[in-house]
Amino acid sequence: QKEVEQDPGPLSVPEGAIVSLNCTYSNSAFQYFMWYRQYSRKGPELLMYTYSSGNKEDGRFTAQVDKSSKYISLFIRDSQPSDSATYLCAMSGNRGSTLGRLYFGRGTQLTVWP
Amino acid sequence: DTAVSQTPKYLVTQMGNDKSIKCEQNLGHDTMYWYKQDSKKFLKIMFSYNNKELIINETVPNRFSPKSPDKAHLNLHINSLELGDSAVYFCASSQDTRVETQYFGPGTRLLVL
Repeated sequence: QKEVEQDPGPLSVPEGAIVSLNCTYSNSAFQYFMWYRQYSRKGPELLMYTYSSGNKEDGRFTAQVDKSSKYISLFIRDSQPSDSATYLCAMSGNRGSTLGRLYFGRGTQLTVWP
Repeated sequence: DTAVSQTPKYLVTQMGNDKSIKCEQNLGHDTMYWYKQDSKKFLKIMFSYNNKELIINETVPNRFSPKSPDKAHLNLHINSLELGDSAVYFCASSQDTRVETQYFGPGTRLLVL
C-alpha cells in the first residue's frame, strides 16, 4: 500500500463547476499537507499548504484536512479552463522518515471545458 | 528571473551512456532535492542536500550520484543509463527542511533508447 493514495482520474467538468479532489494517507506522522498544481510539461507549483487539521481558503481554492480520517481535500469553486492541470497532494512530517521530504499522491488530471 | 533552473530540458541518449543534469537555484535556499516522476506521474524523492551535505538518500541504484558544489547548485550524474531510467527529473529547493517552501524546477525529460 502506498503511503498516499490519490485517484488519478481523469476528471472532466464544465466551466463554473465545483471540483473536489481528495487524497487518503496511512502514516499518522504526517503533519503538513500540500496541494500542488502541475501544468503539462511544467514543474509542480505549490497551491495550498495546511498544517495539521482544519480548513484553509485562498480565493477559489479551499483545502481541508481531517487527520482523524486521514483524508484531505481540495475544492475549486467556479472552475475555469485555466484550472485544467494535474493536481498532486503531498505530505510531510516533523519526525523520523517523514521529516524534510514530501510524499506525493499520484495526481488527479483535471480538465475544465468551456 | 527563474527561481530553480535545470539543464538540459530534454535529454535523449542511448542505453549504457553516462549523462549529467544540472540544477541551480537563486532563492538563497540551503536545501536542494532531486525527484523522479515516472510515466504515471508519480513523483518520488531521490536525494536531498542541506548546505552541501547529503541528508536524504532514497533507495536508488548507485549508478545515480548527486553532487553539490555549493548551496545554489545540485547536479545529478547517471552512469550506465538503462531503459527504466526514462522519466522526468525535477530539482527542487527549500529553506532548511521546511517543505512548505519547496520550489520545483521545470524538469529534465530523459529518454533512454
